[in-house]
Amino acid sequence: KAGVTQTPRYLIKTRGQQVTLSCSPISGHRSVSWYQQTPGQGLQFLFEYFSETQRNKGNFPGRFSGRQFSNSRSEMNVSTLELGDSALYLCASSLNLGEKLFFGSGTQLSVL
Amino acid sequence: AQSVTQLGSHVSVSEGALVLLRCNYSSSVPPYLFWYVQYPNQGLQLLLKYTSAATLVKGINGFEAEFKKSETSFHLTKPSAHMSDAAEYFCAVSTGANSKLTFGKGITLSVRP
Repeated sequence: KAGVTQTPRYLIKTRGQQVTLSCSPISGHRSVSWYQQTPGQGLQFLFEYFSETQRNKGNFPGRFSGRQFSNSRSEMNVSTLELGDSALYLCASSLNLGEKLFFGSGTQLSVL
Repeated sequence: AQSVTQLGSHVSVSEGALVLLRCNYSSSVPPYLFWYVQYPNQGLQLLLKYTSAATLVKGINGFEAEFKKSETSFHLTKPSAHMSDAAEYFCAVSTGANSKLTFGKGITLSVRP
């Protein structure tokens, strides 16, 4: 069974641009969560989706948004990029809400 | 609100020595507690979790952790370190049937030959 797949693996953008990151969960998993990992702030929760609905949201500005499709795949979007958005963005999927999370390898975003 | 404290950012042990990584939590409701490991350029892998069953939790790769409510602690141990244990370890807490985890800052474990 394939694991959680995140694309692209690496991304370089400049300030002010927007970016879309993609996450394909493990087949059959219905819940997808996103986390941001930075050296300074560590791992911080962004959002959680289940059955195409956002169930939980972390403390991030409105520039960060996401969605989940009917096949459980998820995307997150960051608009008007800032230098501080440089981070490893991790996606995790689970069979249902509150169950064991399986993490992808992440997308490393660099904002120049 | 919940939080996790992992004291220190780096622990170094000799191969074969005891591994002890400390984690203290704060939670207003009974917590679910987790330990994750992250190898370089990889995502997080669940080592073990506590969900109010047995207080001593056994995980993968020979790791275990003990939930101590009186000390609000959930320290991770392994009797004998192996070179392959070198990685970053994160303690995390959640408080309900959702996937929102609050992580500690992480501890880098180095294993000396």
